[in-house]
Amino acid sequence: DAKTTQPPSMDCAEGRAANLPCNHSTISGNEYVYWYRQIHSQGPQYIIHGLKNNETNEMASLIITEDRKSSTLILPHATLRDTAVYYCIVRAVTGANNLFFGTGTRLTVIP
Amino acid sequence: GAVVSQHPSRVICKSGTSVKIECRSLDFQATTMFWYRQFPKKSLMLMATSNEGSKATYEQGVEKDKFLINHASLTLSTLTVTSAHPEDSSFYICSAYPASSGGTGELFFGEGSRLTVL
Repeated sequence: DAKTTQPPSMDCAEGRAANLPCNHSTISGNEYVYWYRQIHSQGPQYIIHGLKNNETNEMASLIITEDRKSSTLILPHATLRDTAVYYCIVRAVTGANNLFFGTGTRLTVIP
Repeated sequence: GAVVSQHPSRVICKSGTSVKIECRSLDFQATTMFWYRQFPKKSLMLMATSNEGSKATYEQGVEKDKFLINHASLTLSTLTVTSAHPEDSSFYICSAYPASSGGTGELFFGEGSRLTVL
């Protein structure tokens, strides 16, 4: 799996959009970008994933640059319950490959 | 979404005893499950890949005789920490890969099991 680089921590005001960046400059053509988050003392929770097009679901939006070397996860209206560690992972969807977790970004939503 | 359940969620044991942690996929079949370990304020580290009906594949540095993995059915994998020591105290998390994922490769994670060895 290609490596990813994320800022170690970010703060966001409650109700504002949280934009979490991720660099994955060595991503291969067959690798997707996955985002998971982990709330304290819980297992990781899937958020969203994409290949090259921007994606949106009920939780978040994923913006992938045209060259695919970076992406941004957007939580449109952050709430206190969104405080967690967010992991950006790139992974080839060929077989049952595991996910390699980096250090992630610790997002703190401030009241 | 698919549900993966771990049991127990918390366990405290004495040094030298063995502890079994179960990971179940509740609404899908999983030919492959993964076991991770997470120390406080650290990221998840893959321990082993559990394959139904065959031996697990362990990551470098993980003792296979200490962390016994059994994947006897398509919905259950177990991790047994043998002769537990205080340094084995950690948060253990499993994930399961649906056999019929349709190619998205999404992994679903259990809630985690916190082991404390006294």
